[in-house]
Amino acid sequence: SQQGEEDPQALSIQEGENATMNCSYKTSINNLQWYRQNSGRGLVHLILIRSNEREKHSGRLRVTLDTSKKSSSLLITASRAADTASYFCATDATGQFYFGTGTSLTVIP
Amino acid sequence: DAGITQSPRHKVTETGTPVTLRCHQTENHRYMYWYRQDPGHGLRLIHYSYGVKDTDKGEVSDGYSVSRSKTEDFLLTLESATSSQTSVYFCAIRGLAVYNEQFFGPGTRLTVL
Repeated sequence: SQQGEEDPQALSIQEGENATMNCSYKTSINNLQWYRQNSGRGLVHLILIRSNEREKHSGRLRVTLDTSKKSSSLLITASRAADTASYFCATDATGQFYFGTGTSLTVIP
Repeated sequence: DAGITQSPRHKVTETGTPVTLRCHQTENHRYMYWYRQDPGHGLRLIHYSYGVKDTDKGEVSDGYSVSRSKTEDFLLTLESATSSQTSVYFCAIRGLAVYNEQFFGPGTRLTVL
């Protein structure tokens, strides 16, 4: 399988704290994307980082990419209860997307 | 939402029966995808399409077929449903640009008894 893996599988933090989740993948990629999924809903795109980029910011989100280690991290700063969701990384190498197994984030008010 | 609908949203069927799931988009996107989501596996690609009548297999295509006769519709068919195909199925679309993200439909929960 070319699927990525997120770590940790589950994360529980207090509101206001930062949340960090990691993604490892197996093959060379064109880009890596992060998605959020609220319970019972479809996935929503959060941020995309290209293979020639090392870091990218969008609002409270910070993504890093280390292609030599085939890994990425997503940092959510100043978390809110509304950030409670599952987060998935997805790698795009050949037009097909390969999703990781996800990190379930719970933000406690 | 990016103009993607899936039908039906829920379906219960029996082993051995044929099932067709429909994905409809209003955005005229070239690429369409079918995924299944199962606990512990994340999303896995079943089939995808890169144009009308142009489709290809994904990671878990066995037992599934697809058709795309119009840009806006992408059908997923389970010729003879099995209990292992009980899952949540998501359709997604993507634009033509190399770095476009995917937009997902609301999902179809399929139960095969």
